[in-house]
Amino acid sequence: GAVVSQHPSWVICKSGTSVKIECRSLDFQATTMFWYRQFPKQSLMLMATSNEGSKATYEQGVEKDKFLINHASLTLSTLTVTSAHPEDSSFYICSASGGGSQPQHFGDGTRLSIL
Amino acid sequence: QKEVEQNSGPLSVPEGAIASLNCTYSDRGSQSFFWYRQYSGKSPELIMFIYSNGDKEDGRFTAQLNKASQYVSLLIRDSQPSDSATYLCAVNNRFMIQGAQKLVFGQGTRLTINP
Repeated sequence: GAVVSQHPSWVICKSGTSVKIECRSLDFQATTMFWYRQFPKQSLMLMATSNEGSKATYEQGVEKDKFLINHASLTLSTLTVTSAHPEDSSFYICSASGGGSQPQHFGDGTRLSIL
Repeated sequence: QKEVEQNSGPLSVPEGAIASLNCTYSDRGSQSFFWYRQYSGKSPELIMFIYSNGDKEDGRFTAQLNKASQYVSLLIRDSQPSDSATYLCAVNNRFMIQGAQKLVFGQGTRLTINP
């Protein structure tokens, strides 16, 4: 149980392109989904938290106009990196939780490389 | 002081021995504690979680909480080479927002099990 699917696994694209990453909870309803970024040899950095049907809450220093998050249903959240640049290259990971104190379950992550 | 602190390691343990991982947290009001395992290049995988009401054992893994000293530990018995990974400690952020709790992650401890 508690399977989270993230797609795509890898993205390589040119600078200026917008990239959409999907995160789906396959066998449970995710009240809340989280988006993280991880640079090599560093820990997870929370970017934003999204609750179904509400606007996402962004962490300090994360540009909401650059990282668009949509959480339209209890099983799907999307992160769109708009006009991506090489410095946006990173490992993006989503997680989903059924709410309250239930644990977060992570997707497999998306490795984004901007040329 | 960081909110969640872990020794980054590397921690080397011989195969078959007990690996002991520790994590300290600063917020005395924290209620939920999570251990995730992350293999190199992969996303975190939930190993165990405990709440403030007690310890938990699951197979070769035991999670223990010492509230007075504000630390949590993860014991891995009969360590196997496949246990070699980075172990992330996460603690709930008690300033809850709507939906699920945000987690604060430690930087992770790199564990190596030597055959």
